[in-house]
Amino acid sequence: AQSVAQPEDQVNVAEGNPLTVKCTYSVSGNPYLFWYVQYPNRGLQFLLKYITGDNLVKGSYGFEAEFNKSQTSFHLKKPSALVSDSALYFCAVRATSGNTPLVFGKGTRLSVIA
Amino acid sequence: EADIYQTPRYLVIGTGKKITLECSQTMGHDKMYWYQQDPGMELHLIHYSYGVNSTEKGDLSSESTVSRIRTEHFPLTLESARPSHTSQYLCASSDPRTGTGNTIYFGEGSWLTVV
Repeated sequence: AQSVAQPEDQVNVAEGNPLTVKCTYSVSGNPYLFWYVQYPNRGLQFLLKYITGDNLVKGSYGFEAEFNKSQTSFHLKKPSALVSDSALYFCAVRATSGNTPLVFGKGTRLSVIA
Repeated sequence: EADIYQTPRYLVIGTGKKITLECSQTMGHDKMYWYQQDPGMELHLIHYSYGVNSTEKGDLSSESTVSRIRTEHFPLTLESARPSHTSQYLCASSDPRTGTGNTIYFGEGSWLTVV
């Protein structure tokens, strides 16, 4: 079975400070890992993904994430937070083998304070 | 980004009415999905399809039904709406190309309120 854990319901960070949104996963075999962002009253927007290769993945809006196989983690990071980054962030996983749908975490609300 | 369209974006209907939420994508994606999401909460997969004439129920039991007669179209229907159906419904499709990990792309959502 596949699962994703986002241990923090809420993350608060001051503008200009680095931010981290945590994600750990469980999957049989190798994972495909994704981050999505959702702004109020909108659908989810794709931010970045890990498929294979370099463990550090760079995505939209200056975000990046590091795949750590030994810790089964895929934390989302940004060196300098903006107020406009305030949104709901979802981590998702699926196994590379098989045909299962993507499994999403419960989401983490990021608030960047000016 | 995929071009995926949902209509209506916002709808208020009375209890007992029949409603169909439309979803269309122009990218030729075989796989399509419906998620239900209460405001600011987690996503629940309610239906998915891996191609024409293929539909499967998701993790969350839903009284809605879906059909997939054409690749680009994946409508969701509630035969008799109830206040408990009030929620946001998100349609999505996934990129089948090798190397993308079947990245899912979402529409803007349909907000349904049943009064």
